Amino acid sequence: GAVVSQHPSRVICKSGTSVKIECRSLDFQATTMFWYRQFPKQSLMLMATSNEGSKATYEQGVEKDKFLINHASLTLSTLTVTSAHPEDSSFYICSAGQGARGTEAFFGQGTRLTVV
Amino acid sequence: AQSVTQLDSQVPVFEEAPVELRCNYSSSVSVYLFWYVQYPNQGLQLLLKYLSGSTLVKGINGFEAEFNKSQTSFHLRKPSVHISDTAEYFCAVRTNNDMRFGAGTRLTVKP
Repeated sequence: GAVVSQHPSRVICKSGTSVKIECRSLDFQATTMFWYRQFPKQSLMLMATSNEGSKATYEQGVEKDKFLINHASLTLSTLTVTSAHPEDSSFYICSAGQGARGTEAFFGQGTRLTVV
Repeated sequence: AQSVTQLDSQVPVFEEAPVELRCNYSSSVSVYLFWYVQYPNQGLQLLLKYLSGSTLVKGINGFEAEFNKSQTSFHLRKPSVHISDTAEYFCAVRTNNDMRFGAGTRLTVKP
């Protein structure tokens, strides 16, 4: 299957700083990227969906000014957690798809963010 | 918007026993269905998917699932589980620009 690389796998940052997470599709063009957040022992909660070259669509309750998503190219999307606080500590996972309905979405390995 | 319900949060089972993990969905449009497995601190690995055609789909590691449109279900089964199948399993539903997950089922295989 296709490969999605997510970086970094783990990051610890101080409260008030910003953190950028990258999600790259290595061998295909990802027209759609999904960003998820997963709390311990819980499911994946969709945060936003982004299509290349357009603004991301955020789920209700997700602060778009806090979780900045950029999908500037067909192989790269970034999630920036701005002014991070301890409650933002979580496991963030991206997935990439080729947009057509029914096409499998391929997942990155996730990023464990810890805000201290 | 569609939703996904996994009816069992935890399923304990003995090694070599059969298992079924249940998944129901609701949607006003046609959907595509997936099962993923997640090991601790890792991303998701696709087990199988239903896009169209035969309602019985076979996946990796001996898993299979059956799509039942009238009951809006997509239950995952394995005839004989191994210790290594212990993990979190997620059912997912996708439409054109949306992919949502169930709450997950923790499968624990005991010796």
